[in-house]
Amino acid sequence: GAGVSQSPSNKVTEKGKDVELRCDPISGHTALYWYRQRLGQGLEFLIYFQGNSAPDKSGLPSDRFSAERTGESVSTLTIQRTQQEDSAVYLCASSLGRGRETQYFGPGTRLLVL
Amino acid sequence: GDSVTQMEGPVTLSEEAFLTINCTYTATGYPSLFWYVQYPGEGLQLLLKATKADDKGSNKGFEATYRKETTSFHLEKGSVQVSDSAVYFCALRYSGGGADGLTFGKGTHLIIQP
Repeated sequence: GAGVSQSPSNKVTEKGKDVELRCDPISGHTALYWYRQRLGQGLEFLIYFQGNSAPDKSGLPSDRFSAERTGESVSTLTIQRTQQEDSAVYLCASSLGRGRETQYFGPGTRLLVL
Repeated sequence: GDSVTQMEGPVTLSEEAFLTINCTYTATGYPSLFWYVQYPGEGLQLLLKATKADDKGSNKGFEATYRKETTSFHLEKGSVQVSDSAVYFCALRYSGGGADGLTFGKGTHLIIQP
Protein backbone atom coordinates (compact mmCIF):
# COMPACT_ATOMS: atom_id res chain seq x y z
CA GLY A 1 0.00 0.00 0.00
CA ALA A 2 1.15 3.50 0.82
CA GLY A 3 4.63 4.32 1.97
CA VAL A 4 5.82 5.05 5.48
CA SER A 5 3.89 7.90 7.04
CA GLN A 6 4.80 10.06 10.00
CA SER A 7 2.94 12.58 12.08
CA PRO A 8 3.02 15.37 12.84
CA SER A 9 5.08 16.73 9.96
CA ASN A 10 6.18 19.66 12.11
CA LYS A 11 6.19 20.16 15.88
CA VAL A 12 7.19 23.21 17.87
CA THR A 13 7.43 22.79 21.62
CA GLU A 14 8.83 24.53 24.64
CA LYS A 15 11.86 23.29 26.47
CA GLY A 16 10.88 20.86 29.21
CA LYS A 17 7.71 19.61 27.54
CA ASP A 18 7.20 16.02 26.40
CA VAL A 19 6.55 15.20 22.74
CA GLU A 20 5.29 12.10 20.97
CA LEU A 21 6.06 11.32 17.35
CA ARG A 22 4.21 8.70 15.36
CA CYS A 23 5.26 6.35 12.57
CA ASP A 24 3.05 4.13 10.42
CA PRO A 25 5.22 1.61 8.59
CA ILE A 26 4.46 -0.03 5.29
CA SER A 27 1.96 -2.84 5.79
CA GLY A 28 3.72 -6.18 6.16
CA HIS A 29 7.07 -4.71 7.14
CA THR A 30 8.28 -6.38 10.31
CA ALA A 31 11.29 -4.14 10.89
CA LEU A 32 11.01 -0.49 11.95
CA TYR A 33 13.77 2.04 12.59
CA TRP A 34 13.97 5.52 14.04
CA TYR A 35 16.71 7.97 13.05
CA ARG A 36 17.51 11.56 13.94
CA GLN A 37 18.97 14.16 11.60
CA ARG A 38 20.28 17.30 13.23
CA LEU A 39 21.04 20.35 11.13
CA GLY A 40 24.21 19.87 9.13
CA GLN A 41 24.66 16.32 10.37
CA GLY A 42 24.10 12.89 8.96
CA LEU A 43 21.36 10.60 10.17
CA GLU A 44 21.88 9.00 13.55
CA PHE A 45 20.37 5.60 14.27
CA LEU A 46 18.19 5.66 17.39
CA ILE A 47 16.25 2.41 17.79
CA TYR A 48 15.20 -0.69 15.85
CA PHE A 49 12.22 -3.01 16.22
CA GLN A 50 12.05 -6.44 14.62
CA GLY A 51 8.80 -8.33 15.02
CA ASN A 52 8.21 -9.29 18.64
CA SER A 53 11.89 -9.32 19.58
CA ALA A 54 13.28 -6.95 22.17
CA PRO A 55 14.14 -3.64 20.45
CA ASP A 56 17.70 -2.57 19.80
CA LYS A 57 17.95 0.67 21.77
CA SER A 58 21.68 1.14 21.30
CA GLY A 59 21.34 4.48 19.52
CA LEU A 60 19.08 6.29 21.99
CA PRO A 61 21.04 9.34 23.22
CA SER A 62 19.59 9.51 26.74
CA ASP A 63 16.93 8.03 29.00
CA ARG A 64 14.62 10.88 28.01
CA PHE A 65 14.11 9.05 24.72
CA SER A 66 11.89 5.99 24.47
CA ALA A 67 9.93 4.22 21.78
CA GLU A 68 7.19 1.65 21.59
CA ARG A 69 5.75 -0.49 18.90
CA THR A 70 2.64 -2.60 19.08
CA GLY A 71 3.19 -5.82 17.16
CA GLU A 72 4.15 -5.00 13.61
CA SER A 73 2.23 -1.77 13.33
CA VAL A 74 2.47 1.80 14.55
CA SER A 75 5.42 3.05 16.56
CA THR A 76 5.68 6.11 18.77
CA LEU A 77 8.89 7.87 19.75
CA THR A 78 8.59 9.84 22.98
CA ILE A 79 11.00 12.54 24.11
CA GLN A 80 10.53 13.63 27.69
CA ARG A 81 11.61 16.99 29.11
CA THR A 82 12.75 18.19 25.68
CA GLN A 83 15.94 20.19 25.34
CA GLN A 84 16.97 22.57 22.58
CA GLU A 85 19.54 20.08 21.33
CA ASP A 86 16.67 17.68 20.59
CA SER A 87 15.67 19.93 17.69
CA ALA A 88 16.06 17.80 14.58
CA VAL A 89 14.19 15.91 11.90
CA TYR A 90 13.12 12.51 13.19
CA LEU A 91 12.87 9.90 10.47
CA CYS A 92 11.20 6.54 10.56
CA ALA A 93 11.95 3.68 8.18
CA SER A 94 10.59 0.19 7.71
CA SER A 95 11.74 -2.92 5.90
CA LEU A 96 10.53 -6.42 5.21
CA GLY A 97 12.79 -7.83 7.87
CA ARG A 98 16.21 -8.17 9.28
CA GLY A 99 19.11 -8.61 6.93
CA ARG A 100 19.82 -7.02 3.61
CA GLU A 101 16.35 -5.72 2.83
CA THR A 102 15.95 -2.11 1.73
CA GLN A 103 14.77 0.41 4.30
CA TYR A 104 11.96 2.71 3.15
CA PHE A 105 11.85 6.11 4.81
CA GLY A 106 8.98 8.32 5.83
CA PRO A 107 8.97 12.10 5.25
CA GLY A 108 10.06 12.83 8.80
CA THR A 109 8.87 15.00 11.68
CA ARG A 110 10.64 18.32 12.05
CA LEU A 111 10.91 19.08 15.78
CA LEU A 112 11.83 22.51 17.06
CA VAL A 113 12.38 22.99 20.78
CA LEU A 114 12.29 26.64 21.83
CA GLY B 1 32.80 2.19 15.52
CA ASP B 2 31.50 2.22 11.99
CA SER B 3 31.58 5.54 10.15
CA VAL B 4 31.01 7.03 6.73
CA THR B 5 32.79 10.06 5.32
CA GLN B 6 31.58 11.83 2.21
CA MET B 7 32.65 14.99 0.49
CA GLU B 8 31.32 18.25 1.82
CA GLY B 9 28.89 20.22 -0.27
CA PRO B 10 27.33 21.98 -1.84
CA VAL B 11 28.57 20.65 -5.15
CA THR B 12 27.51 22.85 -8.05
CA LEU B 13 27.73 21.57 -11.62
CA SER B 14 26.39 22.50 -15.01
CA GLU B 15 23.91 20.26 -16.78
CA GLU B 16 25.54 17.36 -18.65
CA ALA B 17 28.69 17.52 -16.51
CA PHE B 18 30.29 14.39 -15.06
CA LEU B 19 29.57 13.80 -11.38
CA THR B 20 31.62 12.12 -8.69
CA ILE B 21 30.66 12.23 -5.03
CA ASN B 22 33.30 10.55 -2.89
CA CYS B 23 32.42 8.21 -0.04
CA THR B 24 34.75 6.23 2.18
CA TYR B 25 33.92 4.10 5.17
CA THR B 26 35.38 2.40 8.20
CA ALA B 27 33.68 -0.72 9.45
CA THR B 28 34.37 -4.04 11.05
CA GLY B 29 33.56 -7.02 8.92
CA TYR B 30 31.93 -6.68 5.54
CA PRO B 31 29.18 -4.07 5.42
CA SER B 32 26.55 -3.52 2.79
CA LEU B 33 26.84 -0.08 1.18
CA PHE B 34 24.09 2.26 0.03
CA TRP B 35 23.45 5.60 -1.61
CA TYR B 36 20.23 7.33 -0.59
CA VAL B 37 18.88 10.49 -2.22
CA GLN B 38 16.59 13.17 -0.80
CA TYR B 39 14.92 15.36 -3.40
CA PRO B 40 13.60 18.76 -2.27
CA GLY B 41 10.50 18.33 -0.14
CA GLU B 42 10.61 14.53 -0.28
CA GLY B 43 11.72 11.69 1.96
CA LEU B 44 14.89 9.65 1.66
CA GLN B 45 14.86 7.13 -1.17
CA LEU B 46 17.26 4.31 -1.86
CA LEU B 47 19.23 5.13 -5.01
CA LEU B 48 21.47 2.06 -5.25
CA LYS B 49 23.26 -0.50 -3.14
CA ALA B 50 26.03 -3.09 -3.16
CA THR B 51 26.35 -5.96 -0.74
CA LYS B 52 29.82 -7.36 -1.39
CA ALA B 53 33.23 -6.35 -2.69
CA ASP B 54 33.44 -5.46 -6.40
CA ASP B 55 29.64 -5.31 -6.72
CA LYS B 56 28.41 -2.37 -8.77
CA GLY B 57 25.10 -0.76 -7.89
CA SER B 58 23.34 1.26 -10.56
CA ASN B 59 20.10 3.16 -10.99
CA LYS B 60 18.86 6.19 -12.98
CA GLY B 61 22.27 6.53 -14.66
CA PHE B 62 24.12 6.59 -11.32
CA GLU B 63 26.74 3.97 -10.47
CA ALA B 64 28.88 3.08 -7.49
CA THR B 65 31.34 0.22 -7.06
CA TYR B 66 32.11 -1.41 -3.72
CA ARG B 67 35.91 -1.15 -3.40
CA LYS B 68 37.10 -3.12 -0.40
CA GLU B 69 40.78 -2.32 -0.97
CA THR B 70 40.17 1.42 -0.74
CA THR B 71 37.06 1.16 1.52
CA SER B 72 35.21 3.40 -0.91
CA PHE B 73 31.83 3.58 -2.63
CA HIS B 74 32.05 6.67 -4.83
CA LEU B 75 28.90 7.77 -6.66
CA GLU B 76 29.23 8.65 -10.35
CA LYS B 77 27.03 9.79 -13.19
CA GLY B 78 28.18 10.54 -16.70
CA SER B 79 25.81 13.40 -17.51
CA VAL B 80 23.82 15.10 -14.78
CA GLN B 81 20.46 16.80 -15.21
CA VAL B 82 18.79 19.64 -13.32
CA SER B 83 16.40 17.04 -11.88
CA ASP B 84 19.35 15.36 -10.12
CA SER B 85 19.60 18.31 -7.74
CA ALA B 86 19.17 16.78 -4.29
CA VAL B 87 21.04 15.74 -1.16
CA TYR B 88 22.90 12.44 -1.49
CA PHE B 89 23.74 10.26 1.50
CA CYS B 90 26.23 7.42 1.58
CA ALA B 91 25.44 4.75 4.18
CA LEU B 92 26.53 1.36 5.41
CA ARG B 93 24.97 -1.48 7.30
CA TYR B 94 27.11 -4.01 9.08
CA SER B 95 26.04 -7.45 8.01
CA GLY B 96 27.65 -9.29 10.87
CA GLY B 97 24.51 -9.75 12.88
CA GLY B 98 24.54 -6.94 15.44
CA ALA B 99 22.61 -3.68 15.27
CA ASP B 100 20.70 -3.40 12.04
CA GLY B 101 20.51 0.36 11.72
CA LEU B 102 22.21 2.23 8.92
CA THR B 103 25.23 4.46 9.53
CA PHE B 104 25.04 7.56 7.33
CA GLY B 105 27.44 10.17 6.10
CA LYS B 106 26.51 13.83 6.55
CA GLY B 107 25.12 14.17 3.06
CA THR B 108 26.26 16.06 -0.03
CA HIS B 109 24.03 18.76 -1.46
CA LEU B 110 24.19 18.63 -5.27
CA ILE B 111 23.05 21.62 -7.31
CA ILE B 112 22.78 21.28 -11.09
CA GLN B 113 22.49 24.51 -13.05
CA PRO B 114 20.91 24.62 -16.52
